[in-house]
Amino acid sequence: EVQLVQSGAEVKKPGESLKIYCKGSGYSFTSHWMGWVRQMPGKGLEWMGIIYPGDSDTRYSPSFQGQVTISADKSISTAYLQWGSLKASDTAMYYCARLGESFWFFDLWGRGTPVTVSS
Amino acid sequence: EIVLTQSPGTLSLSPGERATLSCRASQSVYSSYLAWYQQTPGQAPRLLIYGASSRATGIPDRFSGSGSGTDFTLTISSLEPEDFAVYYCQQYGSSLTFGPGTKVAFK
Repeated sequence: EVQLVQSGAEVKKPGESLKIYCKGSGYSFTSHWMGWVRQMPGKGLEWMGIIYPGDSDTRYSPSFQGQVTISADKSISTAYLQWGSLKASDTAMYYCARLGESFWFFDLWGRGTPVTVSS
Repeated sequence: EIVLTQSPGTLSLSPGERATLSCRASQSVYSSYLAWYQQTPGQAPRLLIYGASSRATGIPDRFSGSGSGTDFTLTISSLEPEDFAVYYCQQYGSSLTFGPGTKVAFK
């Protein structure tokens, strides 16, 4: 089955670090860009960045450049999203989503990882 | 950056009615590289349409997309109960941008 499996819910304090993951299966992980999308409570979708696992080429949305780090380990078909120092405003649902093989629409989505940052 | 505007913000309709959702871009979307997604409460988004008018795998034919340049439309020909959701457009002709969404609500 073609799917993206994301890590579980996280509850963190401001200032803590965090790394969440997204594991792809059932398809060639290195043939598709993988993206991360933020959805704050009650709000819309915001793309954060994308990575090509084949060579780790990474592009960030200007809104998220310098705020997060996206990486991938192609040997285990897994992409990562990490923060060095969380803020309360990072509280959101984070989705990983596969991009189409030749075009940058998101054709396969994970179920999301909820992240809560609270003191 | 291309900014997408969706209208209306909320569309109140009944099952069986036709829904017409608009997505307008601040500049022309290259090669009609525009997609539509559906998100129901508590669920991840689902790809409906790509390339402005191509239905994704498994999407019922009551969903159709049209448009080019700066104006795009998603039409649901006859609303089913499971179609009441939030719909987002996304352009991928110049980097990536999502629209703010249109909620299709029960009247």
